[in-house]
Amino acid sequence: SQTIHQWPATLVQPVGSPLSLECTVEGTSNPNLYWYRQAAGRGLQLLFYSVGIGQISSEVPQNLSASRPQDRQFILSSKKLLLSDSGFYLCAWSIGAGELFFGEGSRLTVL
Amino acid sequence: AQSVTQLGSHVSVSEGALVLLRCNYSSSVPPYLFWYVQYPNQGLQLLLKYTSAATLVKGINGFEAEFKKSETSFHLTKPSAHMSDAAEYFCAVSRALYGGATNKLIFGTGTLLAVQP
Repeated sequence: SQTIHQWPATLVQPVGSPLSLECTVEGTSNPNLYWYRQAAGRGLQLLFYSVGIGQISSEVPQNLSASRPQDRQFILSSKKLLLSDSGFYLCAWSIGAGELFFGEGSRLTVL
Repeated sequence: AQSVTQLGSHVSVSEGALVLLRCNYSSSVPPYLFWYVQYPNQGLQLLLKYTSAATLVKGINGFEAEFKKSETSFHLTKPSAHMSDAAEYFCAVSRALYGGATNKLIFGTGTLLAVQP
């Protein structure tokens, strides 16, 4: 069966520090991969999606970037965190245009 | 452009009572619609999905939703609430991306369900 892992689960970082959140999927090949951010009372916002290795699409301009160095690995990064980057980050995968399956999330607090 | 509106950010019911969580959508094309549940500090779990087959969709944990095109609604119901149903529920509509090779789920702002003993 397919599983998705995210880490770290919790992260507290100072403003201006770098960020790396990692997501891996097991049990499937060539998944579509997604990064969402969830802010309190604002639902979920799609940040990036990827349909293949090295193929990244950004939905909103921001202080973050994403990379997909391997088929089942998706990384969310920042060179310098802002206070507004705080939130709950969710990685998800799908096959084609099917439903999304989410990881357990990474809670980022920027101080 | 697709969007969803969830009416009521907080809903409280008694254990054993009917659960009704409201979702209205806007879509220029026949939509794919989803309900997800999120427990505290966890990811989202798919409850059910509508993909243009039967209009009454049954999901996990006794939940179901009915697609009503005339009302542009996809409300989530459960006949009898259980304490374990307390969670946040998200309605979502799908928008095709990349020529249909993938899709974007556009989420509502969520409804927090409380179940009173």
